[in-house]
Amino acid sequence: DVKVTQSSRYLVKRTGEKVFLECVQDMDHENMFWYRQDPGLGLRLIYFSYDVKMKEKGDIPEGYSVSREKKERFSLILESASTNQTSMYLCASSSPYLLAGTDTQYFGPGTRLTVL
Amino acid sequence: LAKTTQPISMDSYEGQEVNITCSHNNIATNDYITWYQQFPSQGPRFIIQGYKTKVTNEVASLFIPADRKSSTLSLPRVSLSDTAVYYCLVARNAGNNRKLIWGLGTSLAVNP
Repeated sequence: DVKVTQSSRYLVKRTGEKVFLECVQDMDHENMFWYRQDPGLGLRLIYFSYDVKMKEKGDIPEGYSVSREKKERFSLILESASTNQTSMYLCASSSPYLLAGTDTQYFGPGTRLTVL
Repeated sequence: LAKTTQPISMDSYEGQEVNITCSHNNIATNDYITWYQQFPSQGPRFIIQGYKTKVTNEVASLFIPADRKSSTLSLPRVSLSDTAVYYCLVARNAGNNRKLIWGLGTSLAVNP
């Protein structure tokens, strides 16, 4: 059974802290994604990685960075957390055939981050 | 500007068929359409995917007209456990223009 795990289900941080959100997939997928999800705004793509050490900006990359040193792990970094980054963060992975219409994204359970 | 539009919410009753339509007027030739289901406190999960005409699997059908400017997810005989948010996604891979265009989700409430 495919599996995407995220390091925490709930996280509380203070403004200005550096925050790391970790995601691990066990499907040997090339693609990995970070989204944030807010009420009324749906899923918004923050960053996308299509290979180790490769990344592309999504729709809302400001205030975030990512790291992919190993194929199975994709980290989202908030360099200096702010209250407007309070959100649900979802990680996903897929094969490279996602955009060819023959695959789907597999999502983790999400991390609810609160920045005080 | 590529955009997917779907109703914010829908109500239904157990045993009824539910159809949720997503509009994607600017869909491109190589774009694919995928629908996801999301329960509270979980990540979205795949329901069905298609390019044109009709696709059916064990849980849903997807109808895509010839012009592909919309798609309709059909859930036959819904039950209370189908109460969830349903997302439409258009996946674009056109050379350097790779994009995932999500709808804002349709919150489906199934009533007894």
